[in-house]
Amino acid sequence: DAGITQSPRHKVTETGTPVTLRCHQTENHRYMYWYRQDPGHGLRLIHYSYGVKDTDKGEVSDGYSVSRSKTEDFLLTLESATSSQTSVYFCAISDQERALLNTQYFGPGTRLTVL
Amino acid sequence: AQSVTQPDIHITVSEGASLELRCNYSYGATPYLFWYVQSPGQGLQLLLKYFSGDTLVQGIKGFEAEFKRSQSSFNLRKPSVHWSDAAEYFCAVGAEEYGNKLVFGAGTILRVKS
Repeated sequence: DAGITQSPRHKVTETGTPVTLRCHQTENHRYMYWYRQDPGHGLRLIHYSYGVKDTDKGEVSDGYSVSRSKTEDFLLTLESATSSQTSVYFCAISDQERALLNTQYFGPGTRLTVL
Repeated sequence: AQSVTQPDIHITVSEGASLELRCNYSYGATPYLFWYVQSPGQGLQLLLKYFSGDTLVQGIKGFEAEFKRSQSSFNLRKPSVHWSDAAEYFCAVGAEEYGNKLVFGAGTILRVKS
């Protein structure tokens, strides 16, 4: 299994509070992704990174920000959590310039509940 | 815009029976196609992928999928289902023209009857 960890694995928070989720990899892969998974929607891309300090928005980026100061860490921040951000969040990594030619490896997920 | 459709939300099959999960895509480019499986409470695991060449691809756990360009489909098949195959299955599509990103279908939940 690819060396990807996510922390925390579970979190319950209140509306309006900031939340940061962490993805850590030990594979030295260039690309990292944050997805959210909701019933009936599959996985939707929030943000992704193609290198240190290089990030871009995905399909559902509103209300989220990311940072990548080191190759191994990719942080997802909810500046002011809302109930609509209750979801399971997955981090993924992939390698190579033509990253689509390579598999995206997924972390175990973080279940976030916003009350 | 690119999209992926998995028409079946739930499918129930008997153990030992054959399985086919459907995936249709809409892309304005040559697609790269993937099937992932997710067991309850777990992350996603790649079953197989298609980039080019032979349109019938083999994956792990006895799964295969066939790319049919004329039908914009990439259906997943297994000749004999085992109880351990019960999971959620996701089809995903990407294309170089759209960057190194995947678009996922909504998923199909497979239940296996003993």
